[in-house]
Amino acid sequence: GAVVSQHPSRVICKSGTSVKIECRSLDFQATTMFWYRQFPKQSLMLMATSNEGSKATYEQGVEKDKFLINHASLTLSTLTVTSAHPEDSSFYICSARTSGGFYNEQFFGPGTRLTVL
Amino acid sequence: AQSVAQPEDQVNVAEGNPLTVKCTYSVSGNPYLFWYVQYPNRGLQFLLKYITGDNLVKGSYGFEAEFNKSQTSFHLKKPSALVSDSALYFCAVRDANSGGYQKVTFGTGTKLQVIP
Repeated sequence: GAVVSQHPSRVICKSGTSVKIECRSLDFQATTMFWYRQFPKQSLMLMATSNEGSKATYEQGVEKDKFLINHASLTLSTLTVTSAHPEDSSFYICSARTSGGFYNEQFFGPGTRLTVL
Repeated sequence: AQSVAQPEDQVNVAEGNPLTVKCTYSVSGNPYLFWYVQYPNRGLQFLLKYITGDNLVKGSYGFEAEFNKSQTSFHLKKPSALVSDSALYFCAVRDANSGGYQKVTFGTGTKLQVIP
């Protein structure tokens, strides 16, 4: 099956610093990638959707200047949390969907646990 | 707008017994329905999907789900639960008629606890 990787799996940073999370589709080309945020014991909250080569579409309430998304290639998307604060601590999950199918399922990365001190 | 409801926060079942995790949905058009499983500190793993065709869908690890249009439900089932099935299960829906980025909406998740 299709594999999506995320790096790092866990990161701890100081308040005010920026953190970059990478999401890669390892064995397929992902024209669309999604970034989710998951709070403890809660569902996934879609933050943004990105298509390769174009700007990301952010969900309402998500600050695009704070959560920078770059979908540079068909296999790589990055999420940068800028000037991180403790309230940004969360579990971030990326997902990728293959091209050519409207109803293709999304393949999820293993997630990145961000802790901001 | 589309939505998914998982009415049970947690389901407990004895090992070897059948299990059911409930899901109901709401979409304006025809639904595409999905089930995912999440183990602690991991991403989501795809279990099964309903797009069209037979209402009974079979998926990974012996799971199946039945699409019921009249009841707008897509309950996840397994005839005999294993301790290793203990995890968090998410139901998801996408409106087949949606355009744009075709967003998937997830339910709030149901924690399945299989008791040895």
